Amino acid sequence: DVKVTQSSRYLVKRTGEKVFLECVQDMDHENMFWYRQDPGLGLRLIYFSYDVKMKEKGDIPEGYSVSREKKERFSLILESASTNQTSMYLCASRIGANYEQYFGPGTRLTVT
Amino acid sequence: KNQVEQSPQSLIILEGKNCTLQCNYTVSPFSNLRWYKQDTGRGPVSLTIMTFSENTKSNGRYTATLDADTKQSSLHITASQLSDSASYICVVTLSAGTALIFGKGTTLSVSS
Repeated sequence: DVKVTQSSRYLVKRTGEKVFLECVQDMDHENMFWYRQDPGLGLRLIYFSYDVKMKEKGDIPEGYSVSREKKERFSLILESASTNQTSMYLCASRIGANYEQYFGPGTRLTVT
Repeated sequence: KNQVEQSPQSLIILEGKNCTLQCNYTVSPFSNLRWYKQDTGRGPVSLTIMTFSENTKSNGRYTATLDADTKQSSLHITASQLSDSASYICVVTLSAGTALIFGKGTTLSVSS
């Protein structure tokens, strides 16, 4: 069974804090993704990575950065958290193009 | 513009009844279409996947259909159960598998 884990299920941070969201997959998947999900907007792609040390901007990268130093781990970084980054964050991974994406359980981030 | 539209936005049905969710897409070139189920507070889980040449796929009480000519898909749920209460997301993959276009989902509530 594919397993994608995220470091926290719930997180509360203050405006201006640096926030790290971690995602780990145990199936040697090449591709990894970070999405945010908001009511009425659906899932929106923030960043994705096709391989170690590679990253590509998604549809809404502003205010975020990512790091992929190891194949199994993909981190999302909020350099200076703002209230409009309050959201559900979902990580996903897949073997390669055209294959199914497996999602983690999500991290509900609240920025106050 | 590549888009995936789902209808209805939300739906309430009685336990034991059938229902059909719709997905219309304007994505081109098309690779495949997936339906995901997302329980509240959880990550999405794949239900079915169909390529261009497939027009129906079943997974237990879930049956997805695809009409590539009209660019429409539907997800039919038979004999609904309380556990079917969730958000159902239609996702279309662009050819070459690089980009995924997400619908905003249909929220289904099954009541007893």
